[in-house]
Amino acid sequence: DAKTTQPPSMDCAEGRAANLPCNHSTISGNEYVYWYRQIHSQGPQYIIHGLKNNETNEMASLIITEDRKSSTLILPHATLRDTAVYYCIATSGTYKYIFGTGTRLKVLA
Amino acid sequence: EAQVTQNPRYLITVTGKKLTVTCSQNMNHEYMSWYRQDPGLGLRQIYYSMNVEVTDKGDVPEGYKVSRKEKRNFPLILESPSPNQTSLYFCASSFTLAGGGEQYFGPGTRLTVT
Repeated sequence: DAKTTQPPSMDCAEGRAANLPCNHSTISGNEYVYWYRQIHSQGPQYIIHGLKNNETNEMASLIITEDRKSSTLILPHATLRDTAVYYCIATSGTYKYIFGTGTRLKVLA
Repeated sequence: EAQVTQNPRYLITVTGKKLTVTCSQNMNHEYMSWYRQDPGLGLRQIYYSMNVEVTDKGDVPEGYKVSRKEKRNFPLILESPSPNQTSLYFCASSFTLAGGGEQYFGPGTRLTVT
């Protein structure tokens, strides 16, 4: 599975879009990009995943660059409840998951 | 309600006293996995299971055992716990990871070994 790199922390104003970047320059063609978040010490929560097309669901949008070497998770209107650690994972579904240390997003009132 | 449950949620024990942390899911998922989380290290995978009687090591399997005798249960066994196994443990399940599939996580078990 490809290694991912994320900034350790970011701030975002409440109501604004939060754009969380992830670099996965060694990703291979069959590897999906997944995003999870963890609020305090709760179990991680799935947000979204994609292979090469951009994806959107009720929680967020995922933008994957054409060369697939990086992606951005977008929370369109961040709220205080979106304060969490966000993890980007690249995996081919070979059952091994590498979470990394993620990005700590703080949404400011 | 679809969920992954773990028991106990909190456990304080002493070095060398065998313990089991149970994990159960009610979603008929094939895939289950255990992770530990330590400050500054993120979540690290301990063991995973692709289906009943099929398990494999993750990144940090030393000191742990698992078994998968039934589809819904995936207990984590510490035969002789040591203080360096003090951690927050999460169990997760997924229908399948082949072709993409999200994991559902349990609430966590906070283990302290003295």
